[in-house]
Amino acid sequence: KQEVTQIPAALSVPEGENLVLNCSFTDSAIYNLQWFRQDPGKGLTSLLLIQSSQREQTSGRLNASLDKSSGRSTLYIAASQPGDSATYLCAVPNNAGNMLTFGGGTRLMVKP
Amino acid sequence: KAGVTQTPRYLIKTRGQQVTLSCSPISGHRSVSWYQQTPGQGLQFLFEYFSETQRNKGNFPGRFSGRQFSNSRSEMNVSTLELGDSALYLCASSHGGSNSGNTIYFGEGSWLTVV
Repeated sequence: KQEVTQIPAALSVPEGENLVLNCSFTDSAIYNLQWFRQDPGKGLTSLLLIQSSQREQTSGRLNASLDKSSGRSTLYIAASQPGDSATYLCAVPNNAGNMLTFGGGTRLMVKP
Repeated sequence: KAGVTQTPRYLIKTRGQQVTLSCSPISGHRSVSWYQQTPGQGLQFLFEYFSETQRNKGNFPGRFSGRQFSNSRSEMNVSTLELGDSALYLCASSHGGSNSGNTIYFGEGSWLTVV
């Protein structure tokens, strides 16, 4: 059974810092990994999708990497801003469809 | 292009009642999944429908059921509501071929409070 873990559970940084969020999964036979952002009381916003054949995916100030063999992914946020404050979740699908297993999330606060 | 639309956004029900939540996926998407989010358990998968057929099912009791219509819109139903069913219910859609690697998009969710 796939298990996904995110460390740290919470993070508080001053504005402008570069930061790394971590995601690990137990079953390396994944097809892709997706990073989401969730604002309080809201749904999930898709940030990046990395296919299993990719090592990195970039969107603006966000860069996600994937190392299947070690069961790890990282989300790098450059030059953090207060608007980046949210919970960040990583998720991997099962082999037979679109059933996602989520990590517990990292709650990020960027202080002005 | 409209995103995933869920209705209602907020609702309050009494223990023992039943509730139906609706989800309209992004146009052209054939896969619809449902998740329950609670502070204690995080995000948990309920079920997935693809072309009107249930393709995956999570570990929830039979009180939780769903269906998908020919236009890909989906509903989920919870019968005999319990206090522990209070949660944010999220719907997600994607193009959805198996192992297609498509991005999965979520709606804003339906907040259910059971009193």
